Amino acid sequence: ETGVTQTPRHLVMGMTNKKSLKCEQHLGHNAMYWYKQSAKKPLELMFVYNFKEQTENNSVPSRFSPECPNSSHLFLHLHTLQPEDSALYLCASSHPDREQFFGPGTRLTVL
Amino acid sequence: QQPVQSPQAVILREGEDAVINCSSSKALYSVHWYRQKHGEAPVFLMILLKGGEQKGHDKISASFNEKKQQSSLYLTASQLSYSGTYFCGTVSVSGGGADGLTFGKGTHLIIQP
Repeated sequence: ETGVTQTPRHLVMGMTNKKSLKCEQHLGHNAMYWYKQSAKKPLELMFVYNFKEQTENNSVPSRFSPECPNSSHLFLHLHTLQPEDSALYLCASSHPDREQFFGPGTRLTVL
Repeated sequence: QQPVQSPQAVILREGEDAVINCSSSKALYSVHWYRQKHGEAPVFLMILLKGGEQKGHDKISASFNEKKQQSSLYLTASQLSYSGTYFCGTVSVSGGGADGLTFGKGTHLIIQP
């Protein structure tokens, strides 16, 4: 399989649940990113990982916890989320200074 | 601080041209352009890294004026498949390497037959 894949594609969770989003890239990139896309807001950068090291945290609440075990995999661990966290969560990857390739996203609904 | 895109929306007839602008208050290192269709992931169009650079492929091209911190995307002889929301994403001049993009709010483009 090629490109950037994300699982699950859809997720419904309660505010007390703990869940994880998974992203995998098969492009040989060293940089991976999490973005959030809400209904009436632009794409918002959340986290950046470069060679497995977190290089950017865009003031994201601690209820979102990223993990990057290797350059091909990226996780976003979710706990005690709020309804306003419902959004499309997009993963992307790239070589440095090059275009970012996006996955299909996970549509998250928090009840 | 996010870049400002204009116009917010545009409706064209097939075959007409469109220009989408992206302006930043910060000095820019690069500008990335993406198109997103409803329910799909953003798709990369092009990246501009140098001041005054212009790029293009097929009927879509873009320019980057580093001094003005502005970029424009040009769509010529638009096709129905060009419909979607166009986003510019920017990296500030202090960046370079693996940088997250700061996106504008997007420009909604509708192409009618």
